[in-house]
This record gives sequence, structure tokens and C-alpha cells, in this order.
Amino acid sequence: GQQVMQIPQYQHVQEGEDFTTYCNSSTTLSNIQWYKQRPGGHPVFLIQLVKSGEVKKQKRLTFQFGEAKKNSSLHITATQTTDVGTYFCAGYNYGQNFVFGPGTRLSVLP
Amino acid sequence: NAGVTQTPKFQVLKTGQSMTLQCAQDMNHNSMYWYRQDPGMGLRLIYYSASEGTTDKGEVPNGYNVSRLNKREFSLRLESAAPSQTSVYFCASSESWQGLFGANVLTFGAGSRLTVL
Repeated sequence: GQQVMQIPQYQHVQEGEDFTTYCNSSTTLSNIQWYKQRPGGHPVFLIQLVKSGEVKKQKRLTFQFGEAKKNSSLHITATQTTDVGTYFCAGYNYGQNFVFGPGTRLSVLP
Repeated sequence: NAGVTQTPKFQVLKTGQSMTLQCAQDMNHNSMYWYRQDPGMGLRLIYYSASEGTTDKGEVPNGYNVSRLNKREFSLRLESAAPSQTSVYFCASSESWQGLFGANVLTFGAGSRLTVL
């Protein structure tokens, strides 16, 4: 079945540094969603990417969908302590439920 | 607007005991889901209900049963708890089934932390 992997598993950065997490699917995806989970919290939807090569920005966050629609990335510019949490990608294909990646846990040192 | 409400937030069980996790949403969503979250494993789908009156198995259904009581409520039951079921359980809902074209956004509850001794 479809598998979704994320790297790195953990990332520790100094506040102000940039951060990138990568999501890779074993199959071509219809679209992909990203969720953020704060420590002790629940996943919260961030964004959905649909088109090949699509790039979307939310303030300091940049999301990209690969040309082959098998990979995606989330880049955070100049991290802040409020960015702490685990970032999940969820790959989607028509007729199937989402498949979540294992997540990347981000720590930001002040 | 509460969104998705789960109870209880915490529960400790002994092996072999049974319990039910309750979930209710007030967003008039058609579809509801139960996920479990284990360290390093992401979110794995246990069961889902694409619409009122239907339920289907997800990725890891063994040891669980569900009931879609009405459009608002979706419960998860552990008939005979095992230590392997120690996890954080999340209920989620979406406007329509996530497998439909256009993919729907999931709204999650706060989670229920279950420990089985």
C-alpha cells in the first residue's frame, strides 16, 4: 500500500534559523495536506497542495508540491518559539483515506 | 462553537477491561474518523464513518469496534483492552469523506490518552 515518509524525524534549531521538512510518497498523489501539532495538542490543518509544482506561502511558511506529485516540503524562515511542534504531511489519492507521514518534531532554542 | 469533543481525556485500564471513547462534533460534518497516534508512527486510521449509517475499517481496526450513533456522534469501543492499545486516540471529522475528489480538511478533537496496564 501507499507509504508516506518524512525526514528528518527530529530537528533542533536556534531561534532565527531556517527549518525544512521533507515528505516523500511511494506513489503519485492527488494532493497533499500539512498539519501542525503543538506539544500536548492535536493536529491542526495548515494547507493543501493540489497542482504539480505548486508553491504556497503563509507568512514565514513556504509549502511546495513536487513536479511528479510524489514529494512535498515545508520551509520555515527565521523560526520562532511559536513554531515548536510536530509537522505532519498527509498524502491523498481519490477513493482512499489520507496516509499520514510519521511527522517531523521541531524544537526551537531561544 | 466547540468543534470536535472527545471524552474522556485520560483513562487507565487493566488488561481485559473494556471501555468506550466518545466523540461528538457540532459542525454538521458528514464524516467522522478515529485515529491512534504512537511515537514515530504518525496518525493511523482505526475506523471511519463516511456518512451517518455507515462504518468501515481503516488501517488498524483489530481489537476495536465503532458505532455511528447519529450524525454528531461516533464512539470507539475496546472490548478487551491490551497493552498494545496504549496510545493517544484522536477523533476527527470532515465535511464529507476524505476519499472524495477535492479532499476534505480534517478537524481533530483534543485527544484521549489511554494506558493499558
